[in-house]
Amino acid sequence: EIVLTQSPATLSLSPGERATLSCRASQSISSYLAWYQQKPGQAPRLLIYDASTRATGIPARFSGSGSGTDFTLTISSLEPEDLAVYYCQQRSNWPPIFTFGPGTKVDIK
Amino acid sequence: QVQLQESGPGLVKPSETLSLTCTVSGGSINSYYWSWIRQPPGKGLEWIGYISYSGNTNYNPSLKSRVTISVDTSKNQFSLRLSSVTAADTAVYYCASLYGANWFTYWGQGTLVTVSS
Repeated sequence: EIVLTQSPATLSLSPGERATLSCRASQSISSYLAWYQQKPGQAPRLLIYDASTRATGIPARFSGSGSGTDFTLTISSLEPEDLAVYYCQQRSNWPPIFTFGPGTKVDIK
Repeated sequence: QVQLQESGPGLVKPSETLSLTCTVSGGSINSYYWSWIRQPPGKGLEWIGYISYSGNTNYNPSLKSRVTISVDTSKNQFSLRLSSVTAADTAVYYCASLYGANWFTYWGQGTLVTVSS
């Protein structure tokens, strides 16, 4: 089973600052990685899939990169509404098993 | 835009079966794959399983012995049954669409199910 680890657990930044979130897979997953944003009391929302493709309607300040085992979600300039927990997710090839990372909480100072 | 809505009891007794239904609107269930995901209070996300419109299923190995997901295309609904529940099954349960069989695109708002006597 592929395990995803995320770091840091919590990130506290001011509006306008750059946020860099990391997701590491226990074995290579090529580019089969997605990022989700979950705001308090809401369902998760797909931000990025295939490691670097923004989902429909996602602002350009969100970008994803990486392949293999190391992936990054970057928020170029934090907005107050970006307060949320961010999860990475992968799908193993066969059998198709879906796993999520433990999440990174982004606090806005 | 596709919208999903979970429905079902919010309280289930230990050892009984949890049953939830997800109603899909704004699109046909005869496309995509459809999935259930849960989140215990204050914790992370756990994938439960998925079903295709044709009825093919795949489940999380950790829950496989207790899970059944079914689809009713005539009602544009799919359902989850989780048997022999314990307090550890207390969670917010989400239904979601699965784009390209890889990514969870549209999500329901979630429904809290508490397992307690």
